[in-house]
Amino acid sequence: ETGVTQTPRHLVMGMTNKKSLKCEQHLGHNAMYWYKQSAKKPLELMFVYNFKEQTENNSVPSRFSPECPNSSHLFLHLHTLQPEDSALYLCASSQVPRQGNQPQHFGDGTRLSIL
Amino acid sequence: ELKVEQNPLFLSMQEGKNYTIYCNYSTTSDRLYWYRQDPGKSLESLFVLLSNGAVKQEGRLMASLDTKARLSTLHITAAVHDLSATYFCAVEETNAGKSTFGDGTTLTVKP
Repeated sequence: ETGVTQTPRHLVMGMTNKKSLKCEQHLGHNAMYWYKQSAKKPLELMFVYNFKEQTENNSVPSRFSPECPNSSHLFLHLHTLQPEDSALYLCASSQVPRQGNQPQHFGDGTRLSIL
Repeated sequence: ELKVEQNPLFLSMQEGKNYTIYCNYSTTSDRLYWYRQDPGKSLESLFVLLSNGAVKQEGRLMASLDTKARLSTLHITAAVHDLSATYFCAVEETNAGKSTFGDGTTLTVKP
């Protein structure tokens, strides 16, 4: 139990579908992150939210739309995805500014497959 | 742009042997992290290294940081099968508040 819960764990969708990934953290952190982990590629940071405000968007295509209604919840809305978007999507949270030995805490991820 | 290079990317070792994983990075940093990921699982934090010369040990794993050389090492002592996993280093640029990850080292420990 990492304190970061992601749902669903697995998702299969067609290219024309619309779906959302959900992340919830119970650690009292004020920053949340979305990462994409593809086979044979390093972990890619997609979005960062500090105190519900988006502070980072790493040139992510507009078919990925994040939403952070409060410091405990983070969503990733998906629409008209491409086969190359199939990957493991990881959510993480942390406290900022960092203090002491505080790493990011990761959820178990959502395994997304695009048909 | 911060670049983080890990090597080797794949490591197969016999139980009982020692080995070192290297993590090089390209710009100044005040934090370096090591994570472990088991197949199909999340990333688990192993070590946080904050200063030059920092050394941390947990069981058979020891991590160190040389900020002048921009190098961190993860040393495995007397490997056991349970250590089989993928290990990532992640570097946080000074005052950036975000981490850049290495490609990961997939470790397989054979009996």
